[in-house]
Amino acid sequence: AQSVTQLGSHVSVSEGALVLLRCNYSSSVPPYLFWYVQYPNQGLQLLLKYTTGATLVKGINGFEAEFKKSETSFHLTKPSAHMSDAAEYFCAVSANSGNTPLVFGKGTRLSVIA
Amino acid sequence: DAGVIQSPRHEVTEMGQEVTLRCKPISGHNSLFWYRQTMMRGLELLIYFNNNVPIDDSGMPEDRFSAKMPNASFSTLKIQPSEPRDSAVYFCASSSRREAFFGQGTRLTVV
Repeated sequence: AQSVTQLGSHVSVSEGALVLLRCNYSSSVPPYLFWYVQYPNQGLQLLLKYTTGATLVKGINGFEAEFKKSETSFHLTKPSAHMSDAAEYFCAVSANSGNTPLVFGKGTRLSVIA
Repeated sequence: DAGVIQSPRHEVTEMGQEVTLRCKPISGHNSLFWYRQTMMRGLELLIYFNNNVPIDDSGMPEDRFSAKMPNASFSTLKIQPSEPRDSAVYFCASSSRREAFFGQGTRLTVV
């Protein structure tokens, strides 16, 4: 079984500040981990994913995440927040890269204050 | 490619009516997923198909829900009869081996 816990349903940061969104997972098999972003009234867009190999993963829009097996974590970071980063962010886990379902966390709403 | 196409984008229906949601996956993708998003429960998997074959429908809430994939380019999710608690955003996603792509969703309101 797989599950995802996202700590903090709402995170607020100032423009230019560090963004840190937390994600912990549980998986009985080696996990594939994903971060998706959802803008209002839109579908989900993939930000980045971890499959195998390098544990620090870089994604679009300046986001990156680090897979830490010992901590069962996959936190999302961005050094400097931009107003356009305001959105809902979802962490997800899967048993492989594409052909098995994603199990999502509850999501974290990111607000960016000018 | 135009991405995953869902129709309609918005649907308002009366309780007891039949509702059909449609999805056209990305050409060449062999997996298709239906998810439901609500404030209370977040994003939940309803059913998924590999190569047009239903693999896991354990997330389908009850017998009022049914899904079909008659060919590689089309899938439907049907609710009959609809109830107010079915109000949600329904997403279809298709995937290759590398990544899942989501449609823009259908916002269903049952009054």
